[in-house]
Amino acid sequence: DTAVSQTPKYLVTQMGNDKSIKCEQNLGHDTMYWYKQDSKKFLKIMFSYNNKELIINETVPNRFSPKSPDKAHLNLHINSLELGDSAVYFCASSQDAGQGTGELFFGEGSRLTVL
Amino acid sequence: KNEVEQSPQNLTAQEGEFITINCSYSVGISALHWLQQHPGGGIVSLFMLSSGKKKHGRLIATINIQEKHSSLHITASHPRDSAVYICAVRGSNYQLIWGAGTKLIIKP
Repeated sequence: DTAVSQTPKYLVTQMGNDKSIKCEQNLGHDTMYWYKQDSKKFLKIMFSYNNKELIINETVPNRFSPKSPDKAHLNLHINSLELGDSAVYFCASSQDAGQGTGELFFGEGSRLTVL
Repeated sequence: KNEVEQSPQNLTAQEGEFITINCSYSVGISALHWLQQHPGGGIVSLFMLSSGKKKHGRLIATINIQEKHSSLHITASHPRDSAVYICAVRGSNYQLIWGAGTKLIIKP
């Protein structure tokens, strides 16, 4: 029973398309994150939601829009995909209770390839 | 200079060796995470520390808050320990600052 699950795991698409990656956690955590892992393997935070509220919104193009329908889900929608969007996107969750000290649990990653 | 520095960047060792990976940071933190990323890509949280020492199986993590330093040790290393080990610190609220990772290869 996967704790943090992302779908799809692999996504190949053409430039200019719009795509979504979904994330769900069944841990009862209050905070969820989207990270982008680039070709150099650095993990960069993109967004974080705490109890459905956006708390971190790093400098990412506004083509990226997160949506959190409830605290167990954080989806990432990307408009007008560009070649540079190709990366592995990781969803994560933690129970922070506003303290920023919760252990992180990661999804398996979604590898996006833009052609 | 990065706020989180890991060393070494790459480490190759023989099976059975004692492994140490270091992490130094320059910011105030509320917690430090050690994570493992396998060649297949999945990321697993190994430890979360705010003080002292934690042990899980053959893995031991220590942190010295005054010196702003943490170490991850692996005893009796095994080829299945081969992975990238990442140190990340919690700075200001919810922000995680990541190290560049240490690629560990354990040869049989």
